[in-house]
Parts: sequence; C-alpha cells; structure tokens
Amino acid sequence: DIQMTQSPSSLSASVGDRVTITCRASQGINNYLAWYQQKPGKVPKLLIYAASTLQSGVPFRFSGSGSGTDFTLTISGLQPEDVATYYCQKYDTVPLTFGPGTKVDIK
Amino acid sequence: QVQLVQSGAEVKKPGSSVKVSCKASGGTFNNYAINWVRQAPGQGLEWMGGIIPVFGTANYAQKFQDRVTITADESTNTGFMELSSLTSEDTAVYYCAGGGSTSTVIRRVTHYFYSFIDVWGKGTTVTVSS
Repeated sequence: DIQMTQSPSSLSASVGDRVTITCRASQGINNYLAWYQQKPGKVPKLLIYAASTLQSGVPFRFSGSGSGTDFTLTISGLQPEDVATYYCQKYDTVPLTFGPGTKVDIK
Repeated sequence: QVQLVQSGAEVKKPGSSVKVSCKASGGTFNNYAINWVRQAPGQGLEWMGGIIPVFGTANYAQKFQDRVTITADESTNTGFMELSSLTSEDTAVYYCAGGGSTSTVIRRVTHYFYSFIDVWGKGTTVTVSS
C-alpha cells in the first residue's frame, strides 16, 4: 500500500504569516490528493481536492499544489480561525490513506 | 446536499461487536461512495474501508480486513459498519463519510473508483470497556 507522510507534524505561526504544509506519497498518485481541516472537537472539512482545486466556500487564502508524490497546502495569511489539524488523503485507489496530520496553532 | 445521519453512541464489552449505521438524507446513494473513518482519542484519521452501493462490493484497509464488515441498503439509503472482536484500542469516534465515485469500463468489465470525501456524518463514539 502507498504510505502518506506529512511535515511538519506541528507548527506555530503568527497571524498573517504564510504557512506551508507538505504531504508526500510513497508512490505516485497523479493528482488524486485531498486536504481536510479538522478544528478541535469538530468534524473534518474538505478544503482542496484534485491537489489544487478549492472546495466551494473555502477562503481563497488556502491553496494546494503538486502532483505525483509531492504536494503542498499553503495558507496565505494565517487567521485565528485556521487553528486546526490538517490532513492530506490519497484517493487514487483503495486504501484511501490519510497522512498523519499537521497541527497548526497561533504563536 | 446529502447529509449523513449516524446512529448513537455505543458502549461495548471487550470481545463483542458493534454495528454503526449511517443514513443519507436529502438525497440518495446513486453513485455515491460511503467511507468509514475512525479517530481514536487524540489521534489522526484512519480510513477503515468503504462501499460504493451501486457496485455492491466493499473495500477494506488491510488492518481491519479480518474484523470489519461494511454494507449498504440502497432501498433505505443506509450504510452499515460492523466491527467485531472489540478491544479497548477500538475506542474511537467512527465517522461515516461520503464522496463521489467514478467508473471505467475496461475490456467490458466495469471498474469503480472512490473519490474525495465531501460529506461527513457527525460521528459515533464507540467506547470499549469492561
């Protein structure tokens, strides 16, 4: 099975900072990569699919890029409401593996 | 948009089984895929398996293959996840999560593929304790 890794596992940044999270697949997955945001005590929420397509209603400060094995999620101008754990997930084939998550908080 | 309504919290004894249901309201399964994702306390998201009801066959993560059964009843738009031989390590929130699916015909055989998850149930807490 393809393994998903994320880095860093956690980060702390200031409001307004640009934040970048990396997700890596152990084998190529084309662009079959989604990003989810999970705020504390809440249900996960889809942010991005197909590696770079923003889900409807998601703020434009979120963006995704990458293809193959290396992907990034960027928050351009971190806001207090962005405090959450972010997960990547592959969906090229089963199993639909999640990355271990990146916890983002405010410095 | 489809909403997924899950059954209530469960408390189970070690060695027993639990069956969680997930009913789609505001829509039908059609070509939807129903995934089951669990999250142990303080841990990350873990895909357990899924089913594309129109296809009928479930897919499982290797870790759960021997203990989980995922089914769907298209007539009631309800999905089910049954986990057996429970231990304390199965204490978690279990999410029903829906997403699209696609199909491709290759040599006259239809192959179905899962897509990203865009709808989540609120989760069912399963506590395993003696």
